[in-house]
Amino acid sequence: DIQMTQSPSSLSASVGDRVTLSCRASRTIRSFLNWYQHQPGKAPRLLIYATSTLQTGVPSRFSGSGSETDFTLTISSLQPEDSATYYCQQSFTTPLTFGGGTKVEIK
Amino acid sequence: EVQLLESGGGLVQPGGSLRLSCDASGFTFSSYGMSWVRQAPGKGLEWVAAIRASGGSTYYAASVQGRFTISRDNSNNTLYLQMSSLRADDTAVYFCARARSPAAVEVDPWGQGTLVIVSS
Repeated sequence: DIQMTQSPSSLSASVGDRVTLSCRASRTIRSFLNWYQHQPGKAPRLLIYATSTLQTGVPSRFSGSGSETDFTLTISSLQPEDSATYYCQQSFTTPLTFGGGTKVEIK
Repeated sequence: EVQLLESGGGLVQPGGSLRLSCDASGFTFSSYGMSWVRQAPGKGLEWVAAIRASGGSTYYAASVQGRFTISRDNSNNTLYLQMSSLRADDTAVYFCARARSPAAVEVDPWGQGTLVIVSS
């Protein structure tokens, strides 16, 4: 199985900050990398698929990059509503696997 | 509007069985792959199983292979997860989710989830 490792496990940042989350795959997944946002008590939400394509309705302050094994989710200007846990997921092969998540808190 | 409504969760004893359902509306159910994803208390998301639009192919996480069965009824727009030989570590909120597009693997939207507690 492909293991997905996210770092950091948590971070705290101020409104307006640029925030970068990392995700590493245990072997190449080409560009089959997705990012989800999960807020407590809500359904998870797809933010980005295929490494860098923004899902419909997702604010443009979210962006994704990377390839092969190393990927990044960037929030260009952190907003209060961005407080959540963010998960990467590889869709290169089954079993599909998620990273452990990065919890983003607002200072 | 796409809606996914899970049901069937509850308290079950170790070794027991439970069937989860996910009622879908607002889209052509038979055209989309579907998945189950779970979240144990205090833990992250874990992909559980997926099924293709036709129901002809199914896929499972190693942790549930042989114990869980994903299926669908395209005439009634319903997704199922039959769970047997349940263990304490199956305790989780179970989400159903639709493929983002008919050809996609990634999923969106998701339901609100149903809680399964495995305990004596």
